[in-house]
Amino acid sequence: DGGITQSPKYLFRKEGQNVTLSCEQNLNHDAMYWYRQDPGQGLRLIYYSQIVNDFQKGDIAEGYSVSREKKESFPLTVTSAQKNPTAFYLCASSLQGSDEQYFGPGTRLTVT
Amino acid sequence: GQNIDQPTEMTATEGAIVQINCTYQTSGFNGLFWYQQHAGEAPTFLSYNVLDGLEEKGRFSSFLSRSKGYSYLLLKELQMKDSASYLCAVNEGNNRLAFGKGNQVVVIP
Repeated sequence: DGGITQSPKYLFRKEGQNVTLSCEQNLNHDAMYWYRQDPGQGLRLIYYSQIVNDFQKGDIAEGYSVSREKKESFPLTVTSAQKNPTAFYLCASSLQGSDEQYFGPGTRLTVT
Repeated sequence: GQNIDQPTEMTATEGAIVQINCTYQTSGFNGLFWYQQHAGEAPTFLSYNVLDGLEEKGRFSSFLSRSKGYSYLLLKELQMKDSASYLCAVNEGNNRLAFGKGNQVVVIP
């Protein structure tokens, strides 16, 4: 089955700890994205990568970091510098030259 | 900058028709997506409009007017499973999408 997986679905962390969210796709898509969604808000772009070993900041990159060492994987690290990390995090991917993005099931992160 | 505006919530009766509007002002425009998102789940693709006009796909239709910066999603013969948030997203180019806040549709019997 082709698709995008994110794990875990629910994640709990203490304030001050870094945490890494996983995103894997076997769709052979070139581009991958991380979004954050808060209640009553739209999706906001954190980081995106159009090709392996390259990525760009989105609109709210502060307090986050990413890597793109493999085409299939685009992990997101939420650092202790992120002031309000509790949110629903969505990963997406798309084919280069195609505009449609396919979304993973999301990870709900709660930091207390 | 980007500004994508959608009404926040609407309630409609099963079997009815509902229209969800989206207005946008963005730095670039290559097309407009509509996604459906059930609570706690991933958004799923509904439609993509690049040119002006109406695109019909079963019970769902989407309309675009680029000169007015306006789109709507029309849901016909509403079913209970259509209760969800409907997200409007503008393709700004460079594979970037700018999302509106979403419109929560509640379908009642």
